[in-house]
Amino acid sequence: AQSVTQPDIHITVSEGASLELRCNYSYGATPYLFWYVQSPGQGLQLLLKYFSGDTLVQGIKGFEAEFKRSQSSFNLRKPSVHWSDAAEYFCAVGAGNNDMRFGAGTRLTVKP
Amino acid sequence: EAGVAQSPRYKIIEKRQSVAFWCNPISGHATLYWYQQILGQGPKLLIQFQNNGVVDDSQLPKDRFSAERLKGVDSTLKIQPAKLEDSAVYLCASSQGSNQPQHFGDGTRLSIL
Repeated sequence: AQSVTQPDIHITVSEGASLELRCNYSYGATPYLFWYVQSPGQGLQLLLKYFSGDTLVQGIKGFEAEFKRSQSSFNLRKPSVHWSDAAEYFCAVGAGNNDMRFGAGTRLTVKP
Repeated sequence: EAGVAQSPRYKIIEKRQSVAFWCNPISGHATLYWYQQILGQGPKLLIQFQNNGVVDDSQLPKDRFSAERLKGVDSTLKIQPAKLEDSAVYLCASSQGSNQPQHFGDGTRLSIL
């Protein structure tokens, strides 16, 4: 079965600084990859997804992610973080049967 | 379009009591999921429905958890009897089909006393 590792439990960045959240997956075939964001007391909102094609994926709210097969990674990036980006971020990997597994999440704190 | 609706938002019960959660997916979404999210962890899939049939319930503790999706639309998740370790947020999600993005409700936060 597939699995996801998010190595960073908590990251703090200053407002306006760049951001990179790491995600590593384990799966034998080409995975379906997702990044979700969760604000306190709310459900998960899809930021972006990778199914195939261009390995650099653009998402909502200025986020992007790059699929690197050689590194089994799907890191999320944003060039300039806003205070409203503070939330929990989850990477997820889906298999062919739509069995999706989530990472443990990375909590982002934004300093003023 | 209207999102995934869940109720109640919060529920507090004592251990050994029973509880039920309700989910109304996005109209037209054939696939419905129930997840358990324990504090500090990512969501864990409990059960997946395709229309009104179960696709995957391998991680559902069937001795106490049950779920149904009558008529392939709304779904209910029940816990009976509840244990302390069931304290979590229960998330419902729906998607148009296999490997399509899942849309999540705001969840039900369950506290067991």
